[in-house]
Amino acid sequence: EAGVTQSPTHLIKTRGQQATLRCSPISGHTSVYWYQQALGLGLQFLLWYDEGEERNRGNFPPRFSGRQFPNYSSELNVNALELEDSALYLCASSFWGSGRETQYFGPGTRLLVL
Amino acid sequence: GQQVMQIPQYQHVQEGEDFTTYCNSSTTLSNIQWYKQRPGGHPVFLIQLVKSGEVKKQKRLTFQFGEAKKNSSLHITATQTTDVGTYFCAGLNYGQNFVFGPGTRLSVLP
Repeated sequence: EAGVTQSPTHLIKTRGQQATLRCSPISGHTSVYWYQQALGLGLQFLLWYDEGEERNRGNFPPRFSGRQFPNYSSELNVNALELEDSALYLCASSFWGSGRETQYFGPGTRLLVL
Repeated sequence: GQQVMQIPQYQHVQEGEDFTTYCNSSTTLSNIQWYKQRPGGHPVFLIQLVKSGEVKKQKRLTFQFGEAKKNSSLHITATQTTDVGTYFCAGLNYGQNFVFGPGTRLSVLP
């Protein structure tokens, strides 16, 4: 069974540009979570999508947005990039509602903003 | 909002020594999960605890969930160099999303 996949693996942008990150969950999983992990730091919750709807978002500005498609894959968009947006962006998927939710993480996208 | 804290932030041990990290939530949790992230890697699920007072073991790893379902611990017996990494706890609120602790970074000196 394929795990969570993310693309691209690395992304280099300049300040003010937009970045689009993609995530494909494990087959059968309906929830997708996005996290930001700055170098050497913990996981900061960004967004949670389930069944195509945004269920919750973390304490990030509106220029961080995303969506979930009918096939449960997801996209994270970061507009007006700033230098401090440089981080590893992790996507995780789970099957929400089972009472035994476990998050399976993808390998991440490393975003560098110059 | 809910906060999840972990102590210590860093731990350096000699190979063979024991290691414990503690996780505390500001609110009661429906369950708690533990993840390990190796340097340069992504978090990998270790275990989930659901019941009050639950204790689970995985070889040298022992996980506990507090009676009040607000704290948890991970204990590693006789650490090995393969245990190196950052250990995160993640608390799940009833009907809400996961909140990760800041992690405990473990280094094991051979």
